[in-house]
Amino acid sequence: EPEVTQTPSHQVTQMGQEVILRCVPISNHLYFYWYRQILGQKVEFLVSFYNNEISEKSEIFDDQFSVERPDGSNFTLKIRSTKLEDSAMYFCASSDSRRAGRNEQFFGPGTRLTVL
Amino acid sequence: ELKVEQNPLFLSMQEGKNYTIYCNYSTTSDRLYWYRQDPGKSLESLFVLLSNGAVKQEGRLMASLDTKARLSTLHITAAVHDLSATYFCAVDGVYGNKLVFGAGTILRVKS
Repeated sequence: EPEVTQTPSHQVTQMGQEVILRCVPISNHLYFYWYRQILGQKVEFLVSFYNNEISEKSEIFDDQFSVERPDGSNFTLKIRSTKLEDSAMYFCASSDSRRAGRNEQFFGPGTRLTVL
Repeated sequence: ELKVEQNPLFLSMQEGKNYTIYCNYSTTSDRLYWYRQDPGKSLESLFVLLSNGAVKQEGRLMASLDTKARLSTLHITAAVHDLSATYFCAVDGVYGNKLVFGAGTILRVKS
Protein backbone atom coordinates (compact mmCIF):
# COMPACT_ATOMS: atom_id res chain seq x y z
CA GLU A 1 0.00 0.00 0.00
CA PRO A 2 1.43 3.41 -0.93
CA GLU A 3 2.54 5.54 1.98
CA VAL A 4 4.14 8.87 2.77
CA THR A 5 7.75 8.56 3.89
CA GLN A 6 9.87 11.06 5.79
CA THR A 7 13.58 11.41 6.55
CA PRO A 8 15.25 11.66 8.93
CA SER A 9 13.15 10.16 11.69
CA HIS A 10 15.00 12.23 14.28
CA GLN A 11 17.09 15.37 13.78
CA VAL A 12 19.07 17.06 16.52
CA THR A 13 20.45 20.52 15.77
CA GLN A 14 21.93 23.53 17.47
CA MET A 15 19.92 26.71 17.75
CA GLY A 16 20.54 28.96 14.76
CA GLN A 17 21.36 26.12 12.40
CA GLU A 18 19.46 25.34 9.23
CA VAL A 19 17.59 22.07 8.88
CA ILE A 20 15.89 20.43 5.94
CA LEU A 21 13.19 17.87 6.52
CA ARG A 22 12.39 15.59 3.65
CA CYS A 23 9.20 13.90 2.55
CA VAL A 24 8.18 11.66 -0.30
CA PRO A 25 4.40 11.97 -0.75
CA ILE A 26 2.25 9.25 -2.25
CA SER A 27 3.09 9.20 -5.93
CA ASN A 28 -0.20 10.18 -7.56
CA HIS A 29 -1.09 12.79 -4.97
CA LEU A 30 -1.24 16.44 -5.91
CA TYR A 31 -1.61 18.27 -2.60
CA PHE A 32 1.13 18.35 -0.02
CA TYR A 33 1.15 19.61 3.54
CA TRP A 34 3.37 20.14 6.55
CA TYR A 35 2.04 20.02 10.09
CA ARG A 36 3.80 20.07 13.40
CA GLN A 37 3.00 18.72 16.83
CA ILE A 38 4.76 20.02 19.90
CA LEU A 39 5.06 17.26 22.48
CA GLY A 40 1.74 16.57 24.15
CA GLN A 41 -0.12 19.17 22.10
CA LYS A 42 -2.39 19.16 19.12
CA VAL A 43 -1.43 18.95 15.48
CA GLU A 44 -0.98 22.39 13.88
CA PHE A 45 -1.09 23.24 10.20
CA LEU A 46 1.99 24.91 8.74
CA VAL A 47 1.63 25.06 4.97
CA SER A 48 -0.07 23.51 1.97
CA PHE A 49 1.42 23.20 -1.49
CA TYR A 50 -0.19 22.58 -4.85
CA ASN A 51 0.92 23.01 -8.43
CA ASN A 52 4.41 24.02 -7.35
CA GLU A 53 3.36 26.85 -5.12
CA ILE A 54 2.16 27.51 -1.61
CA SER A 55 -1.63 27.56 -1.50
CA GLU A 56 -2.04 28.40 2.17
CA LYS A 57 0.20 28.99 5.17
CA SER A 58 -0.34 29.59 8.86
CA GLU A 59 1.01 32.30 11.14
CA ILE A 60 3.64 29.83 12.34
CA PHE A 61 5.08 29.61 8.82
CA ASP A 62 7.11 32.81 8.91
CA ASP A 63 10.13 33.89 6.86
CA GLN A 64 12.30 31.29 8.57
CA PHE A 65 10.35 28.51 6.88
CA SER A 66 10.27 27.53 3.25
CA VAL A 67 9.05 24.58 1.21
CA GLU A 68 10.20 23.18 -2.06
CA ARG A 69 9.45 20.37 -4.44
CA PRO A 70 12.88 20.01 -5.99
CA ASP A 71 11.98 17.08 -8.22
CA GLY A 72 9.00 14.90 -9.06
CA SER A 73 9.01 13.00 -5.81
CA ASN A 74 10.46 14.95 -2.88
CA PHE A 75 8.82 17.67 -0.83
CA THR A 76 11.03 19.51 1.66
CA LEU A 77 10.59 21.83 4.60
CA LYS A 78 13.52 24.10 5.42
CA ILE A 79 13.95 26.03 8.63
CA ARG A 80 16.68 28.61 8.09
CA SER A 81 17.68 29.46 11.65
CA THR A 82 16.18 27.11 14.18
CA LYS A 83 14.91 28.25 17.55
CA LEU A 84 14.32 26.25 20.69
CA GLU A 85 10.58 26.54 20.16
CA ASP A 86 10.87 24.80 16.79
CA SER A 87 11.40 21.53 18.64
CA ALA A 88 8.46 19.37 17.64
CA MET A 89 7.36 16.44 15.54
CA TYR A 90 6.93 17.51 11.94
CA PHE A 91 4.49 15.57 9.81
CA CYS A 92 4.22 15.62 6.06
CA ALA A 93 0.87 14.72 4.51
CA SER A 94 -0.53 14.36 1.02
CA SER A 95 -3.94 14.02 -0.57
CA ASP A 96 -4.94 13.04 -4.07
CA SER A 97 -7.63 15.54 -4.94
CA ARG A 98 -10.49 17.60 -3.70
CA ARG A 99 -12.87 15.80 -6.01
CA ALA A 100 -16.30 15.51 -4.40
CA GLY A 101 -15.03 17.63 -1.54
CA ARG A 102 -12.88 14.87 -0.13
CA ASN A 103 -9.68 16.04 1.49
CA GLU A 104 -8.49 12.88 3.23
CA GLN A 105 -4.86 13.47 4.05
CA PHE A 106 -2.36 10.67 4.57
CA PHE A 107 0.38 11.35 7.05
CA GLY A 108 4.00 10.27 7.09
CA PRO A 109 5.70 8.85 10.18
CA GLY A 110 7.08 12.23 11.18
CA THR A 111 10.49 13.76 11.88
CA ARG A 112 11.24 14.58 15.48
CA LEU A 113 13.24 17.81 15.52
CA THR A 114 15.17 18.64 18.67
CA VAL A 115 16.79 22.07 18.87
CA LEU A 116 19.44 22.45 21.56
CA GLU B 1 -11.24 31.48 12.96
CA LEU B 2 -12.26 27.84 12.93
CA LYS B 3 -12.05 26.19 16.34
CA VAL B 4 -12.37 22.47 16.98
CA GLU B 5 -13.03 21.24 20.49
CA GLN B 6 -12.93 17.70 21.71
CA ASN B 7 -14.12 16.28 24.96
CA PRO B 8 -13.16 14.59 27.05
CA LEU B 9 -9.43 15.21 26.70
CA PHE B 10 -8.63 12.14 28.74
CA LEU B 11 -10.71 9.02 29.05
CA SER B 12 -9.91 6.04 31.20
CA MET B 13 -12.33 3.20 30.73
CA GLN B 14 -12.71 -0.43 31.61
CA GLU B 15 -12.61 -3.12 29.00
CA GLY B 16 -16.06 -4.03 27.78
CA LYS B 17 -17.58 -0.61 28.46
CA ASN B 18 -19.06 1.84 25.96
CA TYR B 19 -18.21 5.51 25.67
CA THR B 20 -18.47 8.47 23.30
CA ILE B 21 -15.95 11.14 22.35
CA TYR B 22 -17.40 14.44 21.16
CA CYS B 23 -16.03 16.86 18.60
CA ASN B 24 -17.57 20.32 18.20
CA TYR B 25 -16.49 22.85 15.61
CA SER B 26 -17.25 26.50 15.19
CA THR B 27 -17.99 27.15 11.51
CA THR B 28 -19.99 25.53 8.79
CA SER B 29 -18.31 22.48 7.38
CA ASP B 30 -19.58 19.20 6.04
CA ARG B 31 -16.27 17.38 6.04
CA LEU B 32 -14.83 15.87 9.19
CA TYR B 33 -12.07 13.34 9.75
CA TRP B 34 -11.09 11.10 12.64
CA TYR B 35 -7.50 10.01 13.16
CA ARG B 36 -5.82 7.69 15.61
CA GLN B 37 -2.30 8.28 16.95
CA ASP B 38 -0.28 5.75 18.96
CA PRO B 39 2.50 7.16 21.18
CA GLY B 40 5.44 8.38 19.10
CA LYS B 41 3.71 7.39 15.89
CA SER B 42 1.99 9.07 12.99
CA LEU B 43 -1.68 9.77 12.40
CA GLU B 44 -3.75 6.95 10.99
CA SER B 45 -6.93 7.85 9.14
CA LEU B 46 -9.95 6.18 10.71
CA PHE B 47 -13.04 7.80 9.24
CA VAL B 48 -13.95 10.35 6.59
CA LEU B 49 -17.38 11.92 7.08
CA LEU B 50 -18.49 13.97 4.10
CA SER B 51 -22.10 14.91 4.67
CA ASN B 52 -24.74 15.60 7.26
CA GLY B 53 -25.97 12.39 8.83
CA ALA B 54 -22.95 10.39 7.69
CA VAL B 55 -22.26 7.35 9.83
CA LYS B 56 -19.25 5.10 9.44
CA GLN B 57 -18.36 1.99 11.43
CA GLU B 58 -15.18 -0.02 11.70
CA GLY B 59 -15.02 -2.76 14.31
CA ARG B 60 -15.79 -1.32 17.74
CA LEU B 61 -15.68 2.29 16.54
CA MET B 62 -18.53 4.22 14.99
CA ALA B 63 -18.37 7.85 13.88
CA SER B 64 -21.20 10.16 12.96
CA LEU B 65 -21.59 13.73 11.76
CA ASP B 66 -24.33 16.27 12.41
CA THR B 67 -23.43 19.36 10.40
CA LYS B 68 -26.39 21.36 11.68
CA ALA B 69 -25.22 20.92 15.26
CA ARG B 70 -21.56 21.13 14.14
CA LEU B 71 -20.94 17.96 16.08
CA SER B 72 -19.28 14.66 15.42
CA THR B 73 -19.17 11.71 17.76
CA LEU B 74 -16.86 8.74 17.97
CA HIS B 75 -18.56 5.92 19.81
CA ILE B 76 -16.60 3.06 21.31
CA THR B 77 -18.43 -0.20 21.89
CA ALA B 78 -17.15 -2.86 24.29
CA ALA B 79 -13.70 -1.32 24.56
CA VAL B 80 -10.60 -3.48 24.35
CA HIS B 81 -7.04 -2.66 25.37
CA ASP B 82 -5.90 -2.35 21.73
CA LEU B 83 -8.05 0.76 21.35
CA SER B 84 -5.79 2.67 23.75
CA ALA B 85 -4.45 5.63 21.73
CA THR B 86 -5.04 9.32 21.15
CA TYR B 87 -7.97 10.15 18.89
CA PHE B 88 -8.13 13.39 16.96
CA CYS B 89 -10.96 14.88 14.99
CA ALA B 90 -10.11 17.35 12.23
CA VAL B 91 -12.21 19.67 10.11
CA ASP B 92 -11.49 21.24 6.74
CA GLY B 93 -10.37 24.84 7.21
CA VAL B 94 -12.33 27.85 6.02
CA TYR B 95 -10.75 27.65 2.58
CA GLY B 96 -11.11 23.89 2.61
CA ASN B 97 -7.43 23.14 2.28
CA LYS B 98 -5.76 22.68 5.63
CA LEU B 99 -7.10 20.46 8.39
CA VAL B 100 -7.81 22.04 11.77
CA PHE B 101 -7.38 19.52 14.55
CA GLY B 102 -8.96 19.19 17.94
CA ALA B 103 -6.76 18.81 20.99
CA GLY B 104 -7.11 15.04 20.95
CA THR B 105 -8.63 12.56 23.38
CA ILE B 106 -6.23 10.25 25.17
CA LEU B 107 -8.02 6.94 25.60
CA ARG B 108 -6.76 4.36 28.08
CA VAL B 109 -8.59 1.05 28.27
CA LYS B 110 -7.91 -0.86 31.45
CA SER B 111 -8.37 -4.57 31.80
